[in-house]
Amino acid sequence: DVKVTQSSRYLVKRTGEKVFLECVQDMDHENMFWYRQDPGLGLRLIYFSYDVKMKEKGDIPEGYSVSREKKERFSLILESASTNQTSMYLCASSLLLAGGDEQFFGPGTRLTVL
Amino acid sequence: GENVEQHPSTLSVQEGDSAVIKCTYSDSASNYFPWYKQELGKGPQLIIDIRSNVGEKKDQRIAVTLNKTAKHFSLHITETQPEDSAVYFCAAPGGSGYSTLTFGKGTMLLVSP
Repeated sequence: DVKVTQSSRYLVKRTGEKVFLECVQDMDHENMFWYRQDPGLGLRLIYFSYDVKMKEKGDIPEGYSVSREKKERFSLILESASTNQTSMYLCASSLLLAGGDEQFFGPGTRLTVL
Repeated sequence: GENVEQHPSTLSVQEGDSAVIKCTYSDSASNYFPWYKQELGKGPQLIIDIRSNVGEKKDQRIAVTLNKTAKHFSLHITETQPEDSAVYFCAAPGGSGYSTLTFGKGTMLLVSP
């Protein structure tokens, strides 16, 4: 079974702090994704990566950056956390590069920025 | 880019009833339409998907139908059970030829015993 793990289930940070959210997948998938989930807004793509050291902006990249130094690990970075970044963050991975493929999600990290 | 609209946002049914969730998409080139189920405290999980070369696909109590002309697809759950209670998301491919998805805003399904 594909397993996607996220470093924390719950995280509380203060405004202005630098925040790292870590995601690891164990199935040698090419693609990895970061979404945020907010009530009434569904899942919105922040960034994705189709290879090591490669990254692409999603629909809402402002205020975020990412890092993919190893194939299995994809990190989301909030350079200076703000209260409007309080949200559920979901990481996902998939095998194929294009054409539509199942995405496997982690359990999510609920981030609160005070 | 792709725009996916999903309705209704909430749906309450009695156990044993059927439930239908509908989605529309904007990009006529889209060819892959998955449905994800998110249970409380978990990440979304794929439950069924359909590609544009078929009009309907079934897997036990769930089915998905696709109307490419009208650019809409629907999830049908028959004989609903309390464990079907969850948030359901439809999706369609994003742009740029990469394996991204654009998700609908979700439907919270509540099945009452």
